Amino acid sequence: QQPVQSPQAVILREGEDAVINCSSSKALYSVHWYRQKHGEAPVFLMILLKGGEQKGHDKISASFNEKKQQSSLYLTASQLSYSGTYFCGTDNTGTASKLTFGTGTRLQVTL
Amino acid sequence: NAGVTQTPKFRVLKTGQSMTLLCAQDMNHEYMYWYRQDPGMGLRLIHYSVGEGTTAKGEVPDGYNVSRLKKQNFLLGLESAAPSQTSVYFCASSSETGVTQPQHFGDGTRLSIL
Repeated sequence: QQPVQSPQAVILREGEDAVINCSSSKALYSVHWYRQKHGEAPVFLMILLKGGEQKGHDKISASFNEKKQQSSLYLTASQLSYSGTYFCGTDNTGTASKLTFGTGTRLQVTL
Repeated sequence: NAGVTQTPKFRVLKTGQSMTLLCAQDMNHEYMYWYRQDPGMGLRLIHYSVGEGTTAKGEVPDGYNVSRLKKQNFLLGLESAAPSQTSVYFCASSSETGVTQPQHFGDGTRLSIL
């Protein structure tokens, strides 16, 4: 079963912040985050492993909440280059061999 | 640095025709994956491989076959193409399990079945 991402879409002005959530109905062992620009391949952002670790990449960070079976991606002081569709991929089996991706959150940053 | 290369980039088929999509990676990665991406559906796993000579089914394997005869190549075959298989296909690879290492994606193959 695919993880649920929210919101489905969001429009920001440059400099504003955003939060994208990824929720699973099953236990989470790890969460990957990727960004895909229109017509291009998904690009890796970060991985969060079981343990509640928070990571950061430039002004993008993420958290992992085991109890809530949820991960959140935080985009701070958004830039035009942040526009794209964000996907979370989850490992729900602990076998570590494959991911199940959400349906994506479309983010548009405007001037 | 080629990374993950997919061929062809575009293809139009007629219903019932067969074809093979090729994925090649030059990073010596063990794990390789085939996904399809449809509007509003995200990335769905078709088949994957955890090493040379191995393959396993993903979420949506019906109508597809795969082979991993060489470590660097992962082939996706459509034996009898159907319009429902119109999609964008992405190949990805990772050095270790999907949990601890990022997946590197190819540029995709846009396939239309008429």
